[in-house]
Amino acid sequence: DTEVTQTPKHLVMGMTNKKSLKCEQHMGHRAMYWYKQKAKKPPELMFVYSYEKLSINESVPSRFSPECPNSSLLYLHLHALQPEDSALYLCASSQVSSGVGEKLFFGSGTQLSVL
Amino acid sequence: RKEVEQDPGPFNVPEGATVAFNCTYSNSASQSFFWYRQDCRKEPKLLMSVYSSGNEDGRFTAQLNRASQYISLLIRDSKLSDSATYLCVVNTRFTGGGNKLTFGTGTQLKVEL
Repeated sequence: DTEVTQTPKHLVMGMTNKKSLKCEQHMGHRAMYWYKQKAKKPPELMFVYSYEKLSINESVPSRFSPECPNSSLLYLHLHALQPEDSALYLCASSQVSSGVGEKLFFGSGTQLSVL
Repeated sequence: RKEVEQDPGPFNVPEGATVAFNCTYSNSASQSFFWYRQDCRKEPKLLMSVYSSGNEDGRFTAQLNRASQYISLLIRDSKLSDSATYLCVVNTRFTGGGNKLTFGTGTQLKVEL
């Protein structure tokens, strides 16, 4: 069982809808991530939050808007998406340390379909 | 050139076989390395970290060659339950903390009776 919880597990939305994906972790991790994964492709990094500040934005279109209101909560706000945005959206968290890279723990993902 | 490259497979092997996966990475500043396993329509799960000295976890052995920028995973005595996609993952830390993990394309393994 994953300790990173994502909701909803499935989402179908029209191109004019506004929706949000939610991610929660209670492991005390201070880094949280959004990844996008298309079928038969590896996960691609979208955003990284470190200590609730946006640290990395991998040139993601503005129709995707992340929010990290506190250390255990992460949102991905969706607006005016395109059908090609249909994918599995994965949230992950990790410790932040000065040592070697920390392991990422993934949520089970939200399968998004844009009609 | 992709940052992390793997042979996509599939590797079809009989139960009990030994199978090896290879991975190369392009960023010499990469600091840590992992193998993740992903089952169909599930999230990736950490299989093992990879250390320069090589490390073993049961039937799984991982090796890292920093000079060649090459990572490997060896699975001995394959089980049907090992069937999955194996993702090579390279981590580059960035200023401000946090990790940028870059995933390889994954190698699909199918273990057959």
